Amino acid sequence: GQQLNQSPQSMFIQEGEDVSMNCTSSSIFNTWLWYKQDPGEGPVLLIALYKAGELTSNGRLTAQFGITRKDSFLNISASIPSDVGIYFCAGRYSGGGADGLTFGKGTHLIIQP
Amino acid sequence: DSGVTQTPKHLITATGQRVTLRCSPRSGDLSVYWYQQSLDQGLQFLIQYYNGEERAKGNILERFSAQQFPDLHSELNLSSLELGDSALYFCASSVASGTGGDEQYFGPGTRLTVT
Repeated sequence: GQQLNQSPQSMFIQEGEDVSMNCTSSSIFNTWLWYKQDPGEGPVLLIALYKAGELTSNGRLTAQFGITRKDSFLNISASIPSDVGIYFCAGRYSGGGADGLTFGKGTHLIIQP
Repeated sequence: DSGVTQTPKHLITATGQRVTLRCSPRSGDLSVYWYQQSLDQGLQFLIQYYNGEERAKGNILERFSAQQFPDLHSELNLSSLELGDSALYFCASSVASGTGGDEQYFGPGTRLTVT
């Protein structure tokens, strides 16, 4: 089946630093999504990308859909304490009306004040 | 708050038992998805229903089944439970199915512990 490789697994950074994480896939997707999960909560959608090459921002977050359709990255600028959590990439290849998501293993972001 | 509700929040049961998890989608959403999250496997897609009909299957075991009712709420039934079934189970919903542009919003999850 499809697999997503997400890196890094964890990041220890100082408040105010920029963060970058990425996902690569063994096969193409036609949608890339980035979610954030806090402890004890469900994943929350941050950014959705629909076209190869697309660059989309949501506040301090910026994500891009790779031109090969097999990768995506997420950048967070000027990190703040509430950015702490686990970030997941997810891909979808919709076919025949079926669109379950394939998730990466997550990047655990830890911010030191 | 995503608007997706799940009950119960926690469930503790013994091996060999059967449990039912319940999900109510966001108002207006026709698709419901079930996911399992475990430490070793991560988030795995189990099954999708659209307007009462099964639409797609992922890594769902034969011991597991789901259904979506006319009021669009969904139930995930897990039977002959094993220790390895201990996990977080999430429900997500979206407006439509396979059309793109309508994304999945996740509920708070049900934590299942099998002892």
